[in-house]
Amino acid sequence: SQKIEQNSEALNIQEGKTATLTCNYTNYSPAYLQWYRQDPGRGPVFLLLIRENEKEKRKERLKVTFDTTLKQSLFHITASQPADSATYLCALPNTGGFKTIFGAGTRLFVKA
Amino acid sequence: NAGVTQTPKFQVLKTGQSMTLQCAQDMNHNSMYWYRQDPGMGLRLIYYSASEGTTDKGEVPNGYNVSRLNKREFSLRLESAAPSQTSVYFCASSLVARGGGETQYFGPGTRLLVL
Repeated sequence: SQKIEQNSEALNIQEGKTATLTCNYTNYSPAYLQWYRQDPGRGPVFLLLIRENEKEKRKERLKVTFDTTLKQSLFHITASQPADSATYLCALPNTGGFKTIFGAGTRLFVKA
Repeated sequence: NAGVTQTPKFQVLKTGQSMTLQCAQDMNHNSMYWYRQDPGMGLRLIYYSASEGTTDKGEVPNGYNVSRLNKREFSLRLESAAPSQTSVYFCASSLVARGGGETQYFGPGTRLLVL
């Protein structure tokens, strides 16, 4: 069955550094991949979508890569700020292409 | 636009009680979803509705029923609540992006405790 793996351990970094989060998936080849941000007590918020024919996508301080050979996506936040502290979820379409599977997320803490 | 709204925000139930979680979206999206989120397990799909008048089971549908009342509203019902249904419930609606890819918009969640 399809599986998404995100590092369950929290990532602690210093303000100004680049945060890199990893999403690995198995048993399938998705047409696209998404990243969402979730703050405590709130619903997830969509950040970026990257398609299988795109190697990299950027939005302001965010950068996402998608390596379909390694079955991995990397999510980077450059010049990180304490306000970037949140849980980041990776999401992929199910094989039916309609339902979405979410990873459990990685918690990021940015210290001032 | 309010986006996706959910009521109630919090609820405490006793085992065996029933309740309905309400969800509405004002973005004219065709598809709507109900998820539950438990610590360490991520979001799990309970039911979804691809369009008004249709509903389908997701990964964890047992113990739940849904109604797609109209294009805006999608409710989730627990007929006989069990402690295992203690969770945070999120409603979402989705938009298909230009070029493909379905982006979901989430409500603020309902925190449910079943004693």
